[in-house]
Amino acid sequence: DGGITQSPKYLFRKEGQNVTLSCEQNLNHDAMYWYRQDPGQGLRLIYYSQIVNDFQKGDIAEGYSVSREKKESFPLTVTSAQKNPTAFYLCASYPRGLGYGYTFGSGTRLTVV
Amino acid sequence: KNEVEQSPQNLTAQEGEFITINCSYSVGISALHWLQQHPGGGIVSLFMLSSGKKKHGRLIATINIQEKHSSLHITASHPRDSAVYICAVRSRETSGSRLTFGEGTQLTVNP
Repeated sequence: DGGITQSPKYLFRKEGQNVTLSCEQNLNHDAMYWYRQDPGQGLRLIYYSQIVNDFQKGDIAEGYSVSREKKESFPLTVTSAQKNPTAFYLCASYPRGLGYGYTFGSGTRLTVV
Repeated sequence: KNEVEQSPQNLTAQEGEFITINCSYSVGISALHWLQQHPGGGIVSLFMLSSGKKKHGRLIATINIQEKHSSLHITASHPRDSAVYICAVRSRETSGSRLTFGEGTQLTVNP
């Protein structure tokens, strides 16, 4: 079945370390997105990519980096520069131009200890 | 003020009740989405609307473009409907098919 796979589901990181969250899709979607969710707040956009080898900053990109070397993959690195990284991270994809809905992954809960 | 406002924030119902969740937005949109998030965190897309009304099982979604308002209705609610329901819009003004999300409505249906 087609879908988005995010791994790991839970991740613990020591303060000062970088960590990379994986997002893989087999839907052949062009666009991919990373969102952050904090308690009591709506999802906020970190980065997005509409095509391979191109990506744009979202509303809260500081302290994060991404790459889009393959259509299927859009990993997110949470760097030590991110001041408050503990959150729930969701990856999504979208088939541009086809008028269908978005597909979301199951999320990664990152805790900095 | 958020571009997408949902009400109520929390809703508790008894099994079998008819439920309505509201979403108002302040921007011109190309589409509005209703999403469901279960306690584990994963999100499922329920509806994508650009006009009118859609129905899937016990769920009905409506949108009034002129009034910039959408509603999600659940008929004959069941405890398994307990989840967070999120409204999201795709604005005509922003690039990249980005979504702007409401804060969500926590629904609890008691048996």
